[in-house]
Amino acid sequence: AQSVTQLDSQVPVFEEAPVELRCNYSSSVSVYLFWYVQYPNQGLQLLLKYLSGSTLVKGINGFEAEFNKSQTSFHLRKPSVHISDTAEYFCAVKYGGATNKLIFGTGTLLAVQP
Amino acid sequence: NAGVTQTPKFQVLKTGQSMTLQCAQDMNHNSMYWYRQDPGMGLRLIYYSASEGTTDKGEVPNGYNVSRLNKREFSLRLESAAPSQTSVYFCASSPSDRTYEQYFGPGTRLTVT
Repeated sequence: AQSVTQLDSQVPVFEEAPVELRCNYSSSVSVYLFWYVQYPNQGLQLLLKYLSGSTLVKGINGFEAEFNKSQTSFHLRKPSVHISDTAEYFCAVKYGGATNKLIFGTGTLLAVQP
Repeated sequence: NAGVTQTPKFQVLKTGQSMTLQCAQDMNHNSMYWYRQDPGMGLRLIYYSASEGTTDKGEVPNGYNVSRLNKREFSLRLESAAPSQTSVYFCASSPSDRTYEQYFGPGTRLTVT
């Protein structure tokens, strides 16, 4: 079955430290990958996406992610986090097919501490 | 340009009551979606509408109905609410069902007692 796995439900980190949020997906011939961010009591906002081309994708707010086909991963990274990055982060995958159905991971809460 | 709007923001229902969640988008998008978000489960697709006049079931459609009223509006109806439907509901839209990026509304927090 097609699935998306975010193993870390919560990642605590100190301000200005680097962070990596992990995302793995079930293997498929073609995938399109997304990271969304949800700030408290708000909707989801697109952070970055991989559709094709360069495997290193840069997004808003200094985040980047790398598509690794052999490891079926799309981990999200930021070299130095801020308090304002505290939010829930969702990885989502669209598997090759006719309709635009996104499959979401269960989310990772990034908790940035001073 | 408001994007995707949802009403109401909060709602409390008693078991067995009915209600309709409203969603509208002003981006001239063809496709619209309803998700529910539950702790530890991410977002799950309830129903979607690839284009005006069409609707299809998603992963968790039981207990819900939808109406694509026109290109702008896509409503979600709970005919007889159950406590298991306590959740946060998000509406989203995309330019087409082959466009991968979806734009989300602010959500409706529903509690069924």
